[in-house]
Amino acid sequence: DAGVIQSPRHEVTEMGQEVTLRCKPISGHNSLFWYRQTMMRGLELLIYFNNNVPIDDSGMPEDRFSAKMPNASFSTLKIQPSEPRDSAVYFCASSPLRARTGELFFGEGSRLTVL
Amino acid sequence: SQQGEEDPQALSIQEGENATMNCSYKTSINNLQWYRQNSGRGLVHLILIRSNEREKHSGRLRVTLDTSKKSSSLLITASRAADTASYFCATESPNRDDKIIFGKGTRLHILP
Repeated sequence: DAGVIQSPRHEVTEMGQEVTLRCKPISGHNSLFWYRQTMMRGLELLIYFNNNVPIDDSGMPEDRFSAKMPNASFSTLKIQPSEPRDSAVYFCASSPLRARTGELFFGEGSRLTVL
Repeated sequence: SQQGEEDPQALSIQEGENATMNCSYKTSINNLQWYRQNSGRGLVHLILIRSNEREKHSGRLRVTLDTSKKSSSLLITASRAADTASYFCATESPNRDDKIIFGKGTRLHILP
């Protein structure tokens, strides 16, 4: 299995630009999570989906952030417009729903730098 | 908001020594997990302990859970240079379906 695949691995953009981060979960996994990691705040849960349905988006910082999961094999996290404080590593993780090892499988992350 | 808090924030030990990291959390949990993150990489699951378990082993790893104190510890025995990484605890609360919250982690450095 290829694991969770995220793209791009690195993104440098200017303030005000739209950023789209992509995630392909492991085939057969029903839960998908987006986390953001910074030195100051650690790993923050932004949003998670079960069976493509957003369950909890209370961690999404503001309306500039949006996430979609149009099908079981693809999710996007969009920031529009981006700001320097959005600079972070964004991780996608997937899990088999109710297999109940509880284990999350992480991608390698997308490192975002907003200038 | 974050659930788990690891202690210490950073730890340096000599190769061969044992490393102990602690995690405290605030609310009741279904289970607690430990993850490892190498620099620049994603997190990797190490071990899960359920709320009705007190101790669990996996290779050189030993995890304990004390629900009365809302705390857990991760012990790595006979540390190796390759164990250098950040270690995170993560909790899943009973009333938060599948929501898994991470602490800020302990940075472990194994000195040769």
